[in-house]
Amino acid sequence: QLHLQESGPGLVKTSETLSLTCTVSGGFISGGGYYWAWIRQPPGKGLEWVGCFWYGGNTYYTPSLRSRVTISVDASKNQYSLRMTSVTAADTSIYYCARRRPGGARGGFDIWGQGTMVTVSS
Amino acid sequence: DIVMTQSPDSLVVSLGERATINCRSSQSVIYSSDKKNYLGWYQQKPGQPPKLLIYWASTRESGVPDRFSASGSGTDFTLTISSLQPEDAAVYYCQQYTTTPWTFGQGTKVEIK
Repeated sequence: QLHLQESGPGLVKTSETLSLTCTVSGGFISGGGYYWAWIRQPPGKGLEWVGCFWYGGNTYYTPSLRSRVTISVDASKNQYSLRMTSVTAADTSIYYCARRRPGGARGGFDIWGQGTMVTVSS
Repeated sequence: DIVMTQSPDSLVVSLGERATINCRSSQSVIYSSDKKNYLGWYQQKPGQPPKLLIYWASTRESGVPDRFSASGSGTDFTLTISSLQPEDAAVYYCQQYTTTPWTFGQGTKVEIK
């Protein structure tokens, strides 16, 4: 059974860089044509899709974050990562990694990590 | 961006009663190549990640109880819980995956009376 686990520092200083990793187990990032995404949720608020990649294809970002966000993959470790620069308090959120099925194969984010809370503070 | 708007923001429903949540998209979420509605519904309980309930606007994910049903096409969608159970207290989100950025509704909190 596929499992996703986020890891990274829980506290980041204002203006610095946030780095998170999602480790995938029970399956391979490189197989199946899935999208691998980052989604965030400020405390007590709704969900915001940050970006994703399709292995062997493109990487996509939400426009409001595109200038500060990079998603990369290390297939040899079955991991992918989120890097967000110049963070502010507004980036304080629970960050989830999640798998999205291809739209023609049902679609939707069917597998989620448990999430990791990142607080941005000076 | 496709804006997803849910209504109401919250509702209180008695056990065994019906709960209905609406979702409207600012443009059609029908994917041109296969004519399917690329819309999902999620349930999120406190301290947990969201759980996919419905995909293609109306198809239940495996293992989801049949008291959950959904309908709609194009820009207007509905999630219905036919007979509310205690474990259904949660926040529900709709989400379109037709076009990036994939966007979520603001959420509807369902509470039990």
